[in-house]
Amino acid sequence: SQQGEEDPQALSIQEGENATMNCSYKTSINNLQWYRQNSGRGLVHLILIRSNEREKHSGRLRVTLDTSKKSSSLLITASRAADTASYFCATDLNTGFQKLVFGTGTRLLVSP
Amino acid sequence: DTEVTQTPKHLVMGMTNKKSLKCEQHMGHRAMYWYKQKAKKPPELMFVYSYEKLSINESVPSRFSPECPNSSLLNLHLHALQPEDSALYLCASSQDPTGSSYEQYFGPGTRLTVT
Repeated sequence: SQQGEEDPQALSIQEGENATMNCSYKTSINNLQWYRQNSGRGLVHLILIRSNEREKHSGRLRVTLDTSKKSSSLLITASRAADTASYFCATDLNTGFQKLVFGTGTRLLVSP
Repeated sequence: DTEVTQTPKHLVMGMTNKKSLKCEQHMGHRAMYWYKQKAKKPPELMFVYSYEKLSINESVPSRFSPECPNSSLLNLHLHALQPEDSALYLCASSQDPTGSSYEQYFGPGTRLTVT
């Protein structure tokens, strides 16, 4: 069962612009994670935000979490062509075992 | 070494074949996972192994049989698959399976085609 919906489904921007992706989920969570996937390859972990945190930064990435609205956003600042990838949010449901449920994903295209 | 390796990279098999996918990590992680990903879809969890024991089976058909021979290795045995099982199969590991906030490390995946 799918937990997260992401929007937009696809985003096309120029290098140097900022990219914002949004994730909404349905049930209470332990934490929320963001992953990047280059075309047809494995996923790379970007950032993890716990349910009691509201904002987190890592380099050019900024993630927010609003548990009252069950939503999160990922901001990539000063985008580069190398940021072109699919981005997924993943919620870690509080089930006793780490069980990630991935959102639908946002396909980001950054043009030079 | 923060790498999860998967072999083979590509696999084509007929519906009557038996094959296995292999996953390996040397990070000392005690949780390992199998995911299935269809084209342009998110990964879907299939199995979770915690301390080499099967902890979660997401109602996966029995033609997929996981095995964890030791803490570094995870196999997925395939038998009598259907064409709709064609997908990217991803293996992942994380430090501690018991609900703590740890990231998962993914392998590059095995692209499986069932003919």
